[in-house]
Formats: sequence, structure tokens, C-alpha cells
Amino acid sequence: NAGVMQNPRHLVRRRGQEARLRCSPMKGHSHVYWYRQLPEEGLKFMVYLQKENIIDESGMPKERFSAEFPKEGPSILRIQQVVRGDSAAYFCASSGGSSYNEQFFGPGTRLTVL
Amino acid sequence: AQSVTQPDIHITVSEGASLELRCNYSYGATPYLFWYVQSPGQGLQLLLKYFSGDTLVQGIKGFEAEFKRSQSSFNLRKPSVHWSDAAEYFCAVVSSGNEKLTFGTGTRLTIIP
Repeated sequence: NAGVMQNPRHLVRRRGQEARLRCSPMKGHSHVYWYRQLPEEGLKFMVYLQKENIIDESGMPKERFSAEFPKEGPSILRIQQVVRGDSAAYFCASSGGSSYNEQFFGPGTRLTVL
Repeated sequence: AQSVTQPDIHITVSEGASLELRCNYSYGATPYLFWYVQSPGQGLQLLLKYFSGDTLVQGIKGFEAEFKRSQSSFNLRKPSVHWSDAAEYFCAVVSSGNEKLTFGTGTRLTIIP
């Protein structure tokens, strides 16, 4: 059973470009969470989604950031007009099935903004 | 709002020595508590979790943690550390019906020969 998959693992963008981060949850999981880890800090919650619904986006910056989890395909975290402060590791986690409330993490996408 | 405090930013331990990493939480009801480990450049791996029942929880890699409601603590322990235990350790809490994990700032563990 494959774990949570994220791609790309590393992403380099110049200021003003768009970044798209993808997350495929574990098989059978219908809950997806995005977290951001700034250098030398812990993980901060960004958004919680279920299929086609945003359940909690209280950790999302008000501008430039958006997330979706369509009926088919991976969850996408989209950052428009990236700035250097967006440089961080972005982790996706999924839960559901028999391990309700336990979140399984992907390997992360490390975004570098030049 | 729930919060997690890991008071030790960095701990250095000799290989073979015992280890205790501290975690305190702030939450009104009984929380769900977790310890995760992160190796450099890697994602997070769950070491153990506490939902209810026995307050002493056994995890993977020889780790255990004890939930103490009176002290609002969930400290992680290992009787004898190995060099491969060097990593960053995160304590986290989630409230029932809330779903989002709140993490502490982490404790970096260094193992010396």
C-alpha cells in the first residue's frame, strides 16, 4: 500500500511565478491536510480538505494561496506570485479509513524562491 | 486554543544513554497526542500516539511516552539511544472534531559516541 505521495520533491521558482504542489493521499483516505514548515520551525497547519470541499482553511494566508481536492486526482496547493518568504517545506498528510484521526505524512515539497 | 510546548530546543545524549524529551500541552478536554520524528530532509514518521486508555504508550523503535493529565505532559522516553535516533522530534496534539494537528517547535536530538 503506497504511502502519501507528493510531487515535486523540490521546486525552484523566481519571485512572481506560480508554484503548484501536488499530493496524492494514501489509498482509502479521503481527508487531506497541508502544513508548512519554515526553516528552523515546527509545522504549521494551513488547510484541511475532503473531496471537493474545503473544511478548514484557518491557516491559509489570505492572499495568493489556494487549495483544492477534486473528485478525481491529487490535491493541489497553489501559490501565486511567490515571494522569498514562501520558501519552505510543504507537507501533505492524509487520514481516514481504519486509522481515523491518525495523519500519515508525505515526504514534502521543498520550495525555494529565488 | 490548543498549544504544544517543547521546552528543549536541542538535546545531546551519549549513545547508549537514556533519553527523555519533554512535551506539555494546553487543551481543555482530553486531547489526542502524538510524537513524530523527522530525519534531515525527510517527512514525518509517527512514533506513537495516545487516544485513551493506558497512559503509558509503546511506540516503534523502542520509544514510549506517558500521558500525565495532572501535569499536562506527554514526555517521550527511550532507555538506550542509538546513533540512528539522531533527528528532530515533534510533539503534536489534535482535538476531537477539530482534525488539525498543532505541533510543538521540535527538539533536535544529537547523539555523541
